[in-house]
Amino acid sequence: DTTVKQNPRYKLARVGKPVNLICSQTMNHDTMYWYQKKPNQAPKLLLFYYDKILNREADTFEKFQSSRPNNSFCSLYIGSAGLEYSAMYLCASSRGTHYEQYFGPGTRLTVL
Amino acid sequence: TQTVSQSDAHVTVFEGDSVELRCNYSYGGSIYLSWYIQHHGRGLQFLLKYYSGNPVVQGVNGFKAEFSKSDSSFHLRKASVHWSDSAVYFCAVRFRNSNNRIFFGDGTQLVVKP
Repeated sequence: DTTVKQNPRYKLARVGKPVNLICSQTMNHDTMYWYQKKPNQAPKLLLFYYDKILNREADTFEKFQSSRPNNSFCSLYIGSAGLEYSAMYLCASSRGTHYEQYFGPGTRLTVL
Repeated sequence: TQTVSQSDAHVTVFEGDSVELRCNYSYGGSIYLSWYIQHHGRGLQFLLKYYSGNPVVQGVNGFKAEFSKSDSSFHLRKASVHWSDSAVYFCAVRFRNSNNRIFFGDGTQLVVKP
């Protein structure tokens, strides 16, 4: 099974409220990623876990949190959503960081 | 600066036509190049990759890509497209000193008309 699952598929949030997105994979991949994608733009890496080590991008360091309670699950947490957070959030996993990534279908977040 | 450029935002062809989707990247270090496809409403799917060896790599569904060090390019080609090839195609590059990060291009929307 090469499926990466994301929940929910659609999320509506109010400005200033928290948002928690969930990703899971059953391929025993040690690396899991979160990307933000806006229309007509490239996916933007937000952070990734290599095993239990979290790597966050410098320009989004304070905006996004994440946890990985076990190998299969990874969450993306926004403490206080702003309008600019409206986007598609893509989760991906890979076996190590040198191999192709398997992507989930994404969660479309709309902040009002 | 490490950048990935896909010069065409949209490409429209007819079924049976050949197509080339262009990808150029800015960095001269050792690299790992790949292409991903995204059908409407779905996640990105890996298509093919190049790291070393034969510069022409074969992917699924008749796609192939050719690495050119001199041109800093990794263009994707298909000899005869099908309507089901309509999707957004992303070029992705891992640069040698990018700490294992992949940089994506902005994508090329391919529309195949019947």
